[in-house]
Amino acid sequence: GIQVEQSPPDLILQEGANSTLRCNFSDSVNNLQWFHQNPWGQLINLFYIPSGTKQNGRLSATTVATERYSLLYISSSQTTDSGVYFCAVEPRGSTLGRLYFGRGTQLTVWP
Amino acid sequence: NAGVTQTPKFQVLKTGQSMTLQCAQDMNHEYMSWYRQDPGMGLRLIHYSVGAGITDQGEVPNGYNVSRSTTEDFPLRLLSAAPSQTSVYFCASHRGTSTDTQYFGPGTRLTVL
Repeated sequence: GIQVEQSPPDLILQEGANSTLRCNFSDSVNNLQWFHQNPWGQLINLFYIPSGTKQNGRLSATTVATERYSLLYISSSQTTDSGVYFCAVEPRGSTLGRLYFGRGTQLTVWP
Repeated sequence: NAGVTQTPKFQVLKTGQSMTLQCAQDMNHEYMSWYRQDPGMGLRLIHYSVGAGITDQGEVPNGYNVSRSTTEDFPLRLLSAAPSQTSVYFCASHRGTSTDTQYFGPGTRLTVL
C-alpha cells in the first residue's frame, strides 16, 4: 500500500516561533488532509489539500502533488498548538474516504 | 448537530470477552469508518462502510466485525478480545464526495487484560 512519511517525528518550540512539518507520500493521491490531535485525543481536521496552497489564520499548507509531498506551516506558535499533527492520504483509485495516515509529528510549544 | 459520537469513552475487558463499540453520526453521511491508534503510530483503518448494508475490510480487520443497518450507526464488534486489541478506537464519517473531509469521534480507549 501507499507509504506516508512525516518529519520531524518530534518538534519542540518556544512560543512565537515558526515551524514547518513535512509529509511525503509514495503514490498519487486523490485527497490529502492534515489533522491536529490535541492533548485530549480529539482529532480535528485542519486542511483538505490534495494540491495547491491554503491558509487559515496562523496555519497554512502546501501540497505539490507532482512531487508527492505536503508541508504544513505554523507561524507564531502558541501553547495551544501542542499535540500531534497527522497527514493522511487517499490513494488514487482507492475507495473515497479510505485514508492512510503517517505516524505524525509530536509538537510541544513551551511558554 | 452532535457530529460523530462514540460510546463508551473507556472500557476494560478480560481476554476472551466480547463487546461492541458504538458509533453514531447525525450528519447524514454515507461513509463511515473505524480506525485504531496505537502508541507512536498513525491511525489504521479496520473496517469501513459506503452506505447502509455495505461494509468492507480495511488494513487491520482481523478480530473485528461490523454491520451497517442504518445510515446513522456503525457499531464495531470485538468477537473475542485479545491484549493486542488494546488501543484507542476512532470512528469517522464522510459525506462521500472527493472534496469532503473526514469527521472523527472523540475515541474509545480500550484495554484488554
